[in-house]
Amino acid sequence: DVKVTQSSRYLVKRTGEKVFLECVQDMDHENMFWYRQDPGLGLRLIYFSYDVKMKEKGDIPEGYSVSREKKERFSLILESASTNQTSMYLCASSLGQGAPGANVLTFGAGSRLTVL
Amino acid sequence: DQQVKQNSPSLSVQEGRISILNCDYTNSMFDYFLWYKKYPAEGPTFLISISSIKDKNEDGRFTVFLNKSAKHLSLHIVPSQPGDSAVYFCAARVDFGNEKLTFGTGTRLTIIP
Repeated sequence: DVKVTQSSRYLVKRTGEKVFLECVQDMDHENMFWYRQDPGLGLRLIYFSYDVKMKEKGDIPEGYSVSREKKERFSLILESASTNQTSMYLCASSLGQGAPGANVLTFGAGSRLTVL
Repeated sequence: DQQVKQNSPSLSVQEGRISILNCDYTNSMFDYFLWYKKYPAEGPTFLISISSIKDKNEDGRFTVFLNKSAKHLSLHIVPSQPGDSAVYFCAARVDFGNEKLTFGTGTRLTIIP
């Protein structure tokens, strides 16, 4: 089974701190995604990546950046955390364009971030 | 602008009965739709999908129906089981080659024993 691992399940940070959320997938997937989940808003796409060192903005990229130096690893960075970034962050991966099962995202368990 | 909407935040169904979860969308460019299930403290897991060229797809107890003219899809679960209690998200894709999924707001399904 594809496994997507988010290293931190729960984090508590202070306003203004720099925050790194790490995500690793072990099935050689091309695509990786970062979503946040908030009550009443569903899952909203922050950033995604089709390939190493490539990134594209999702629907709510403001206040976030990402890094994909290796195919299996996709990091989400909050340069200066704010209280409105308190949320559940979900990393996902998918096979890639044209592949059978493409678009079926496999998610990690999530990282719940609280910014005080 | 919410392009994928799940207007029922919650739904309670008796065990053994049919559960029907609904999803509406506004973007006529969506060509592929998926349903995900999410338990607390876990990531969403893929349940079932349907291409826009079909109007029905079935997998065991789960059936997804697509009505393109109404821009509406629904997930039917029959018979409902206690383990089906979860939050269900519908999701949609704009076109092949674009791996982005747009998700709805979710419906919390509770199966009553």
